[in-house]
Amino acid sequence: DTGVSQDPRHKITKRGQNVTFRCDPISEHNRLYWYRQTLGQGPEFLTYFQNEAQLEKSRLLSDRFSAERPKGSFSTLEIQRTEQGDSAMYLCASSPPTSGRGNEQFFGPGTRLTVL
Amino acid sequence: AQTVTQSQPEMSVQEAETVTLSCTYDTSENNYYLFWYKQPPSRQMILVIRQEAYKQQNATENRFSVNFQKAAKSFSLKISDSQLGDTAMYFCAFMNPGGSQGNLIFGKGTKLSVKP
Repeated sequence: DTGVSQDPRHKITKRGQNVTFRCDPISEHNRLYWYRQTLGQGPEFLTYFQNEAQLEKSRLLSDRFSAERPKGSFSTLEIQRTEQGDSAMYLCASSPPTSGRGNEQFFGPGTRLTVL
Repeated sequence: AQTVTQSQPEMSVQEAETVTLSCTYDTSENNYYLFWYKQPPSRQMILVIRQEAYKQQNATENRFSVNFQKAAKSFSLKISDSQLGDTAMYFCAFMNPGGSQGNLIFGKGTKLSVKP
């Protein structure tokens, strides 16, 4: 299966620690998105890459958050000095460069972060 | 700013029966896409059905169909012949393809339980 993969699937950390998540999109998908989903809510947009360029960042992405996609393939999302409010599911999605399919986004399984 | 509202936090349906999930949205755009995504328990989000706003014909995918009312900004999902595997969170989502992000804006979701 060559779907979107995310690693790790679960992460438990203590407040104040740094964490990094990885997303591997479907190959040849040039668009990559990060979303955050808290309990009882729909996913909320965090940031968007087209190839290696980070084109948009949500106001939800505070200066403790940073994302990269160095070679236009996999992406990492780092959270520094984690807070309990960062506890959530972090979802990655990718979509192909041109699509007559309404820009369908393909989601990964997510990384569930718990900050103690 | 665009918003998506799902007014039914939870719904249940008997196996083999039909259920309709509601979604309304707010936008000043004329061209956009609407989606229904399914998120089964502990599994990743998958696309159920999409609708292009410029198409008047309602989209259908096997047992899934939508009732798209552009003037009313309504986009409901009908599931016919419900199956146990349809048990999941269902999210309605909006996309403005002309936006710089192309990100999805999600509602809060409806938890659907299919009962045997």
